[in-house]
Amino acid sequence: GQNIDQPTEMTATEGAIVQINCTYQTSGFNGLFWYQQHAGEAPTFLSYNVLDGLEEKGRFSSFLSRSKGYSYLLLKELQMKDSASYLCAVLAPGGATNKLIFGTGTLLAVQP
Amino acid sequence: DTAVSQTPKYLVTQMGNDKSIKCEQNLGHDTMYWYKQDSKKFLKIMFSYNNKELIINETVPNRFSPKSPDKAHLNLHINSLELGDSAVYFCASSPGQAWGYTFGSGTRLTVV
Repeated sequence: GQNIDQPTEMTATEGAIVQINCTYQTSGFNGLFWYQQHAGEAPTFLSYNVLDGLEEKGRFSSFLSRSKGYSYLLLKELQMKDSASYLCAVLAPGGATNKLIFGTGTLLAVQP
Repeated sequence: DTAVSQTPKYLVTQMGNDKSIKCEQNLGHDTMYWYKQDSKKFLKIMFSYNNKELIINETVPNRFSPKSPDKAHLNLHINSLELGDSAVYFCASSPGQAWGYTFGSGTRLTVV
């Protein structure tokens, strides 16, 4: 089966750091993605991890541990515009191809 | 330049009607997808096409019929619409099976 878990909601303060966790159990693994989705908009790509470790990209970093089936997205120096849903997604084998399987998303509210 | 474009953005229709959603990508990607996002914001894959060939069909009712006239277009036709079909439908594309997806802006379908 395919299972991807994230907290439903989180709240953080402007300027702070927040870590959004994701655990997964999937039939196969070909990488993990993080997407950001503002209300009423399309998901947009944030990061991709396929090897263990930390990938840093500006204010955003993503970590992966394949042995633990665990990832996190770290957002630093939070800004109001970071209020959005953050979607963890695993690229898993799907028959003749791969498919991106999404978690339920974490709604992050950044407060002044 | 819009990379993945969907039309219409909003669609309100009565139960039992037949409707189509169109998707076009100008990224030169080989693979296109349809995802459904329900009221709980859960994104679930429906179909995937690679170079006009159907490669993923995720146990979607056969009232839903995708059509890909060429690799830049993937349309979704829905027959006999039901209340439960109300959702946001996202089209996406990717350059290959191990790459992230670029999403369209979504079509909000409301069945009344």
